[in-house]
Amino acid sequence: AQSVTQPDIHITVSEGASLELRCNYSYGATPYLFWYVQSPGQGLQLLLKYFSGDTLVQGIKGFEAEFKRSQSSFNLRKPSVHWSDAAEYFCAVGGGDYKLSFGAGTTVTVRA
Amino acid sequence: DTEVTQTPKHLVMGMTNKKSLKCEQHMGHRAMYWYKQKAKKPPELMFVYSYEKLSINESVPSRFSPECPNSSLLNLHLHALQPEDSALYLCASSQDTRDAYNEQFFGPGTRLTVL
Repeated sequence: AQSVTQPDIHITVSEGASLELRCNYSYGATPYLFWYVQSPGQGLQLLLKYFSGDTLVQGIKGFEAEFKRSQSSFNLRKPSVHWSDAAEYFCAVGGGDYKLSFGAGTTVTVRA
Repeated sequence: DTEVTQTPKHLVMGMTNKKSLKCEQHMGHRAMYWYKQKAKKPPELMFVYSYEKLSINESVPSRFSPECPNSSLLNLHLHALQPEDSALYLCASSQDTRDAYNEQFFGPGTRLTVL
């Protein structure tokens, strides 16, 4: 069975500072990994995805993520955070069918 | 058009009411999903439609009844709901359910409150 762990429930970061959100997955075969962002009261927007190839993936809004098979991780990073990045972030793993397994989410607060 | 739309945006209903949630996509996707999301929690899968047929029901109570009239539309009919059913209901779609790179596109959700 596939699963995702997001160890950080809540992160507070200053505007302009860098951000890293952690994601660890468990899956027996090649995982298909996603990061979604959800602003309050909104749906989920895909930030980036990893299927194969280059392990450093670029996404929208200046985000990137790095797939590390040896560590079963897919951490999300942004060099300089904007106030509009305050949101809930979900890491998810897909395994070849319909099922997406989501992590519990990390809430990001941005202080001025 | 890479958008999934949902109506209504907000819905308040009593426990004896019957209401419906609607979802629409025009991306030619053949898989559509209903999720339920409680505050500060990840989405929980409820139903999956594949090529307009219900393929997955994640043990959802019968007071939730999905319907897929055509490949672009997905409804969720609600009847005799309980206050604990209050949540954000998200619709999603993907090309189909078979491909490993199963990117799902989500709608903005319907915020449901059951009184």
